[in-house]
Amino acid sequence: AQTVTQSQPEMSVQEAETVTLSCTYDTSESDYYLFWYKQPPSRQMILVIRQEAYKQQNATENRFSVNFQKAAKSFSLKISDSQLGDAAMYFCAYRSMDSNYQLIWGAGTKLIIKP
Amino acid sequence: DTGVSQDPRHKITKRGQNVTFRCDPISEHNRLYWYRQTLGQGPEFLTYFQNEAQLEKSRLLSDRFSAERPKGSFSTLEIQRTEQGDSAMYLCASSPRLIDTDTQYFGPGTRLTVL
Repeated sequence: AQTVTQSQPEMSVQEAETVTLSCTYDTSESDYYLFWYKQPPSRQMILVIRQEAYKQQNATENRFSVNFQKAAKSFSLKISDSQLGDAAMYFCAYRSMDSNYQLIWGAGTKLIIKP
Repeated sequence: DTGVSQDPRHKITKRGQNVTFRCDPISEHNRLYWYRQTLGQGPEFLTYFQNEAQLEKSRLLSDRFSAERPKGSFSTLEIQRTEQGDSAMYLCASSPRLIDTDTQYFGPGTRLTVL
């Protein structure tokens, strides 16, 4: 069974600085999707970025980018130029390409932005 | 798209009572998912619909839980004889028809408190 681990329960960063959130996963599959979701205090889960495992190029969305290391089963999220609105819980999630329904989630990392 | 909506946003009930939650997915999204999230944890998969067919149920979904999606549009999740352990946030998500665009979009959730 696949598992997702986020080893940082909480991270803090100064506004305008860069922060990296860690995620590792365990799978025997070669094709899958990885996601980072953000959950602000209002609690609606919002997609930040997604990565297909068959793509070697790291995904980027504006200030958000990932470092996808397939062999190491690592999928970290880098947030550049941190803003106060980035404060939230960040969840890493895995979905098998064979499964069309279930996301497997990490426990989350709480990101605090210091003004 | 108006986004995924859920109703009610909050529900307080006494142990032993029945509760029903509603989810309206993004229009034309044929896949709908229910998750449960307890405080400080990532979501846990409960069940999945493709159109009106319930294709998968987690072992977390005891016989007190039932979900429906009549006509493949909105969905309801009913919990019978609620227990204190049912207290959680119940999240609904939907995803579009295209297999290669399977990002799940989440609603704001229904927070259930069982007294």
